[in-house]
Amino acid sequence: DGGITQSPKYLFRKEGQNVTLSCEQNLNHDAMYWYRQDPGQGLRLIYYSQIVNDFQKGDIAEGYSVSREKKESFPLTVTSAQKNPTAFYLCASKHKGVTGELFFGEGSRLTVL
Amino acid sequence: DAKTTQPPSMDCAEGRAANLPCNHSTISGNEYVYWYRQIHSQGPQYIIHGLKNNETNEMASLIITEDRKSSTLILPHATLRDTAVYYCIVRVTQGAQKLVFGQGTRLTINP
Repeated sequence: DGGITQSPKYLFRKEGQNVTLSCEQNLNHDAMYWYRQDPGQGLRLIYYSQIVNDFQKGDIAEGYSVSREKKESFPLTVTSAQKNPTAFYLCASKHKGVTGELFFGEGSRLTVL
Repeated sequence: DAKTTQPPSMDCAEGRAANLPCNHSTISGNEYVYWYRQIHSQGPQYIIHGLKNNETNEMASLIITEDRKSSTLILPHATLRDTAVYYCIVRVTQGAQKLVFGQGTRLTINP
């Protein structure tokens, strides 16, 4: 079945550690996105990528980094520079073009201890 | 960039139609209106989208005003499973595909 897979679903880390969240899609989508969601809040855009080897900052990119070496993969690294990293992280993908729905993964919940 | 405004919360009785409004007064002529919903702790799910004509699919109907400054998502016969946060978004930037979500409307369906 085609879809978008995020891992791990739950992750705990100590302060000062970097952590990488995985996002893989087999939908042959060109564009991929990372969002952050805090309790009771909407989604905020961290980074997005339209093609391989290219990505742009979203509204809250500070303390995060991404790479897009393959079309199907868009990992997000939460660095120690991110001041408040505990949150629910959502990855999404879509076809390039004006229309086209976003497909979301099931999310990764990161807790910093 | 067009922004959207939605009421933070709404209630609806089970079996009745749920009408969720969205204002997007600065929308450009080539920007689409999309609706998604998010059930607790899951990834958002696409519902419907439109440009200027009304749209209907198996999940919902989308009514866009003639001036395109607002729209309404209609769930014709709401069930308890429709309890979720509903997001109205517009495609923000030509070509760059930057998609920004607002706070959404928390819809509660009451038995």
